[in-house]
Amino acid sequence: GAGVSQSPSNKVTEKGKDVELRCDPISGHTALYWYRQSLGQGLEFLIYFQGNSAPDKSGLPSDRFSAERTGGSVSTLTIQRTQQEDSAVYLCASSPGTETYEQYFGPGTRLTVT
Amino acid sequence: AQSVSQHNHHVILSEAASLELGCNYSYGGTVNLFWYVQYPGQHLQLLLKYFSGDPLVKGIKGFEAEFIKSKFSFNLRKPSVQWSDTAEYFCAVNAASGTYKYIFGTGTRLKVLA
Repeated sequence: GAGVSQSPSNKVTEKGKDVELRCDPISGHTALYWYRQSLGQGLEFLIYFQGNSAPDKSGLPSDRFSAERTGGSVSTLTIQRTQQEDSAVYLCASSPGTETYEQYFGPGTRLTVT
Repeated sequence: AQSVSQHNHHVILSEAASLELGCNYSYGGTVNLFWYVQYPGQHLQLLLKYFSGDPLVKGIKGFEAEFIKSKFSFNLRKPSVQWSDTAEYFCAVNAASGTYKYIFGTGTRLKVLA
């Protein structure tokens, strides 16, 4: 079946512009995660959604970052007024939301802020 | 707060050498533990996981990991590495208390020389 998909695969933007990154999780997966992967920093947790519960936003680095998940499926991560330090690969993952807790990752969006 | 430490950032081995990658976590409660792998140009994928039971778990491609609760460790091992094991390896922990939040380590880049 189809895996997690993300778009765009690459995004170059100018400092100060807003960007939207999209994630399509695996159908039926109730949990959805966003991570940021920077060189030498590993995977930095940003936010997760689980079913109809309030999202855990504890990893969002600033109020310039926000995310939503519409209809329990597609998610959009928005970064406003981008800064050069926002340059990274943004990964999305989904999980069946069962006790297995395994995550399935998408290919990521490489964001470059010039 | 939970944290995960991977002490080896870069490892270079020759084929047939044995591998052990360290992973330590800080969390006092029950945890679920994972190793993920990212091969060059590919998505992150699950290598193995531990939830309960036998602390020695076996994963794909001949990898195994041992959970030592007293040491808060979950080290990854492989008796004989292959060139195709060249990848980045991430340890992750999830508090087994109904939360879906994961904490990842910074990763270990393994290069296997043919």
